[in-house]
Amino acid sequence: GNSVTQMEGPVTLSEEAFLTINCTYTATGYPSLFWYVQYPGEGLQLLLKATKADDKGSNKGFEATYRKETTSFHLEKGSVQVSDSAVYFCALSGTNAGGTSYGKLTFGQGTILTVHP
Amino acid sequence: DGGITQSPKYLFRKEGQNVTLSCEQNLNHDAMYWYRQDPGQGLRLIYYSQIVNDFQKGDIAEGYSVSREKKESFPLTVTSAQKNPTAFYLCASRPGTGYGELFFGEGSRLTVL
Repeated sequence: GNSVTQMEGPVTLSEEAFLTINCTYTATGYPSLFWYVQYPGEGLQLLLKATKADDKGSNKGFEATYRKETTSFHLEKGSVQVSDSAVYFCALSGTNAGGTSYGKLTFGQGTILTVHP
Repeated sequence: DGGITQSPKYLFRKEGQNVTLSCEQNLNHDAMYWYRQDPGQGLRLIYYSQIVNDFQKGDIAEGYSVSREKKESFPLTVTSAQKNPTAFYLCASRPGTGYGELFFGEGSRLTVL
């Protein structure tokens, strides 16, 4: 079955530091990959996505590249801010060869990020 | 504005009581989902529905029930059979096309006293 593994947290950084959160996956078919962010007491928001190999998703200074050869989708940001403090989830949606989604997301465990001034 | 509305945001229940969490969406999405979130365990799928009047069990359906009588509504009932119901519950929806990304509500926190 499908699975997603994220790096263990929590991650604590100083403002303007470089961020990497590792994510690797196991999937059949042609998965689409996502990063979601969850701020305290709220639901999940889609941060970025990539739908095929070598695609780079980007949003709000965050980036992640879909690496099929290493089955990875690591999240990066060059300079984090205090407002980036949140929980980050990597997820995948299985699809068939025609690109049709199976309709369920498989989530990683989540990584807590805390950024200090 | 289109979106997903969950209510109530906070709910307290005594042991042995059933409770129903509401989820309404005005995004005209076909599929709807319920996830449970516990600290350190990520999100686990409870039930999902891809079409009105049809739904499937997810990974942890025991002790829960759902209905899908209308496209925009997917209520979740936490029954007294659920052994450890204290958790954060998230409802989500997905359009019929696209790459499978979900759109989430703000969540409901259930505490059993």
